[in-house]
Order: sequence, then C-alpha cells, then structure tokens
Amino acid sequence: QSVLTQPPSLSGTPGQRVTISCSGSSSNIRPNTVNWYQQFPGTAPKLLIFGNNQRPSGVPDRFSGSKSGTSASLGISGLQSEDDADYYCAVWDNSLNGWVFGGGTRLTVL
Amino acid sequence: EVQLVESGGGLVPPGGSLRLSCVASGFTFTDYWMNWVRQAPGKGLEWVANIKQDGSQKNYVDSVKGRFTISRDNAKNSLSLQMNILRVEDTAVYFCARSNFDLWGRGILVSVSS
Repeated sequence: QSVLTQPPSLSGTPGQRVTISCSGSSSNIRPNTVNWYQQFPGTAPKLLIFGNNQRPSGVPDRFSGSKSGTSASLGISGLQSEDDADYYCAVWDNSLNGWVFGGGTRLTVL
Repeated sequence: EVQLVESGGGLVPPGGSLRLSCVASGFTFTDYWMNWVRQAPGKGLEWVANIKQDGSQKNYVDSVKGRFTISRDNAKNSLSLQMNILRVEDTAVYFCARSNFDLWGRGILVSVSS
C-alpha cells in the first residue's frame, strides 16, 4: 500500500488527453513539490516533471503537471503511441523523513 | 557524458550480505544528494536511502533500517549501499539516482534466494 495513491491503469486513444492523479497527504504533497517519472519496461525511469509543473529540457510540452492541496496531476495531451508506459509520482514526506513514490499508473495507448 | 553506473549485484542467500556501488561521471558529484531506489519484479518504485553531499545526513526507508548502510566517497565520485541480513523481499533491481531523481543509472539486479 503506497503512501501516494495513483490509479493502477488508464487507457486512451491517439490524440486524446489523459490525466493521471496522485493523492497524498498534509505531510507530503501539501508542503512539498511533486515530481513525475516515465518508465518503459526494462529501463530506468526518466524525470518528466519536477517542482509540480516544470519540464526538464527535452520533455515535450504535451506533458504538464499541477498540484492542489494534497493532490497532484500529470496531464498528457495529444496522446501518442510512444506514451504507452508506466508513470510514477514522487514527493518528500516530512513525517517519514524520506521520499515516497506512488504505486504507478500503467498507461495504455489503444 | 553525464551518467551513473551501478555494479555489485548478484544472487545471495537469505541472511547474506552484498555491497552495491555506483560511479558517477560528467557532473560535480559533491553538489548533489544521492539516492538508492529499488524495484521488485513486476512492482513499482521504492525509495531505499539517500545521503547528503558531505555524507553528514543519511535517511532510510523503515524496511531497511539497521540492515542497509548508504555511504559515499567524494574523492572517487562513488556511492555505495552495504546490504546485510538480506531477505527474500529485498529482491529487486536497485537504481542509483541523483538528487530528486533527475538522473538514473541503468540498475543492477539483486536476487535473494536459497
């Protein structure tokens, strides 16, 4: 049972917009910034969003992040087949004194 | 090239020990906190431990406290994870990752089995 709650799976069709949610608490998401990662099978994760809504260089602007209260979201617009991957949110938890990851969301592009 | 390269994984029996290493290159190692993150087969990501730039602060996930020790050698741009009293549930791919996980190694497999 992860400290951060994500939907286990989501699907969408090419061109569609999808949103992945990440629900936390007053000890993690509320006081701290949220990061998002993309992972393909058998490879290391890649940083997609940091600081709630900032994109590292090279990440397409189809990816966006937001935060409100104890929840955060990753938005993917203009869905492409190459977006078929696992997505994780992560944030520092002040009570646990450690990083926590969401359980991950498997996004399938139909 | 900016990269992290892990080594030291393998098969070990329950109760055994293993030491993982991660060598950093292409960036100023001493500017960053460093982490170990693991991923059990077919499961999600789990943060294991991190260490401050000068090694003065270390944090661990509860499940490894007292068994795992993170350390760094800034002269060698190296990060380590000493894993003792290993359990079957420690079986995972272990990743070395920088700061807020903006840079990852390729990962190394640790299998704990009799």
